[in-house]
Amino acid sequence: DVKVTQSSRYLVKRTGEKVFLECVQDMDHENMFWYRQDPGLGLRLIYFSYDVKMKEKGDIPEGYSVSREKKERFSLILESASTNQTSMYLCASSFVGASYEQFFGPGTRLTVL
Amino acid sequence: LAKTTQPISMDSYEGQEVNITCSHNNIATNDYITWYQQFPSQGPRFIIQGYKTKVTNEVASLFIPADRKSSTLSLPRVSLSDTAVYYCLVGELVGNRDDKIIFGKGTRLHILP
Repeated sequence: DVKVTQSSRYLVKRTGEKVFLECVQDMDHENMFWYRQDPGLGLRLIYFSYDVKMKEKGDIPEGYSVSREKKERFSLILESASTNQTSMYLCASSFVGASYEQFFGPGTRLTVL
Repeated sequence: LAKTTQPISMDSYEGQEVNITCSHNNIATNDYITWYQQFPSQGPRFIIQGYKTKVTNEVASLFIPADRKSSTLSLPRVSLSDTAVYYCLVGELVGNRDDKIIFGKGTRLHILP
């Protein structure tokens, strides 16, 4: 059974803290993605990676960075969390030849106080 | 990148067939049409993908007319558990690095007893 796991289901942080969201996939997928989902705004792409150490900006990269040191792991970093980064964060992965067939993790609901 | 337009919400009753239409007037020759389903508090799940005519699997059917400017996701005999948000996406399976996969806001389908 294919799996994308995220480090936390729920997370509460304070303004200004550095936050790490981890995502791991066990399908040997080349592509990995980070999205955020907010009511009324749908899913928005933050960053994606098509290979180890490679990254591309999505639609809303400001305030975020990413790291991909190993093929199976893609981390999203909030350098200095702010209240407007309170959201549901979703990680996904896919094969490079099937970018539109993505497998999603369960999501991390992050609250920044 | 082809933009998609789909209804914001739809209601239907258990046992009915539900058709959700997506418009994509600017679809390109190499673009495929992909649909996802998202239940509350879960990540989206890939349900079907097609290029032209008709595709059917155990979950849904996808109808694509000859001009490919729209597509219709058909859910046969829906149940309460089909209440979800459905996203229509259009793009190349192996796109350019600059291509951004856009989920948009989707169609919120509410099944009534």
